[in-house]
Amino acid sequence: AQSVTQLDSQVPVFEEAPVELRCNYSSSVSVYLFWYVQYPNQGLQLLLKYLSGSTLVESINGFEAEFNKSQTSFHLRKPSVHISDTAEYFCAVIGNRDDKIIFGKGTRLHILP
Amino acid sequence: DAGVIQSPRHEVTEMGQEVTLRCKPISGHNSLFWYRQTMMRGLELLIYFNNNVPIDDSGMPEDRFSAKMPNASFSTLKIQPSEPRDSAVYFCASSLTGGAQPQHFGDGTRLSIL
Repeated sequence: AQSVTQLDSQVPVFEEAPVELRCNYSSSVSVYLFWYVQYPNQGLQLLLKYLSGSTLVESINGFEAEFNKSQTSFHLRKPSVHISDTAEYFCAVIGNRDDKIIFGKGTRLHILP
Repeated sequence: DAGVIQSPRHEVTEMGQEVTLRCKPISGHNSLFWYRQTMMRGLELLIYFNNNVPIDDSGMPEDRFSAKMPNASFSTLKIQPSEPRDSAVYFCASSLTGGAQPQHFGDGTRLSIL
């Protein structure tokens, strides 16, 4: 079975500052990893995913995440945040033979003016 | 392209009443998931279907909850009788089958049981 831990429930950061949202996972098998974003009053949307290959994956809006197998981490980063990035971010993991994705408890990103 | 469509967006009803939530997945997707989201418990998977067949309903809280998928384009989640502790946002998501396939979420139904 897999599990996901998001270490921070809330992260406040000033606009245009960098941010890192932390995610650690555990699994006895190979996994696929995802970050989803949830804007207010909406469902979750896929932000980026790691399936295989390059350990650094990027989204279209400037976020990136790096798969680190030795540290079982998949932290999400952005070098300069905008007010529009205010949302809740969910890390998720699924075993490579599974259908059921496991979501973390989410991290609320608060952008301060 | 139409995304996952859920109805109603909001539902307010009195305890004891039957509640039916509806979901239309993305055309061509053969996996469908029902989730519940609350502040206390976060996002919980209730049940999922592959090719209209329920695969895992271990997340369904109790017998008051039931879900059906009569065809590839429609699913329902029913609560009977409803209780105040069922108040939450319920999401439906669909995907192509396979772990690498991302899930596409609807905008949810905000359910309030008085």
